[in-house]
Amino acid sequence: NAGVMQNPRHLVRRRGQEARLRCSPMKGHSHVYWYRQLPEEGLKFMVYLQKENIIDESGMPKERFSAEFPKEGPSILRIQQVVRGDSAAYFCASSPRENVNNIQYFGAGTRLSVL
Amino acid sequence: AQKVTQAQTEISVVEKEDVTLDCVYETRDTTYYLFWYKQPPSGELVFLIRRNSFDEQNEISGRYSWNFQKSTSSFNFTITASQVVDSAVYFCALSYTGGFKTIFGAGTRLFVKA
Repeated sequence: NAGVMQNPRHLVRRRGQEARLRCSPMKGHSHVYWYRQLPEEGLKFMVYLQKENIIDESGMPKERFSAEFPKEGPSILRIQQVVRGDSAAYFCASSPRENVNNIQYFGAGTRLSVL
Repeated sequence: AQKVTQAQTEISVVEKEDVTLDCVYETRDTTYYLFWYKQPPSGELVFLIRRNSFDEQNEISGRYSWNFQKSTSSFNFTITASQVVDSAVYFCALSYTGGFKTIFGAGTRLFVKA
């Protein structure tokens, strides 16, 4: 029973390139959440998606960042024209449709380094 | 507004010592959930415990125990007889019914020396 799968685990980009981070939720989970962890800080909420819908993106930077969760396939967090300040660990979490326990199951994260 | 404060940035102990990690939270919701996560040097997040706001019973799991006190809005975590493998960053977190964000504290880095 696979957990939340994120890939790649490590991603290196040069300034100005695009970064694509993928997240496959746990089997049977239809809700996905993205969090960002800057160095030496806690995780900060970015966006909450259900299949084909963005429910809340209040934590997303206004520019260059976008997220999707298509009907088929993984959720994608896309960062265009990366800058050094985007270097961080990006965590994805998932939950079932009726999340009565309010538990989000986290993936191992993708560590983005921008050179 | 919801907020989680972990005042201890780093703690260093010697193996076999007991150590308590503090967590203070703020919320206006009457129904909410508190969590502790462990982040070892490898970087993944390991779920340790979830507690809902109506259950103030303390919990013990092996060497780990948690003390939830609504009167002081605290949810402290104690490791008894610490081991080197306990070295990690520990996060306290808060979510609420109907909400979808988990709000994390800044974390406490625990060093356990042999």
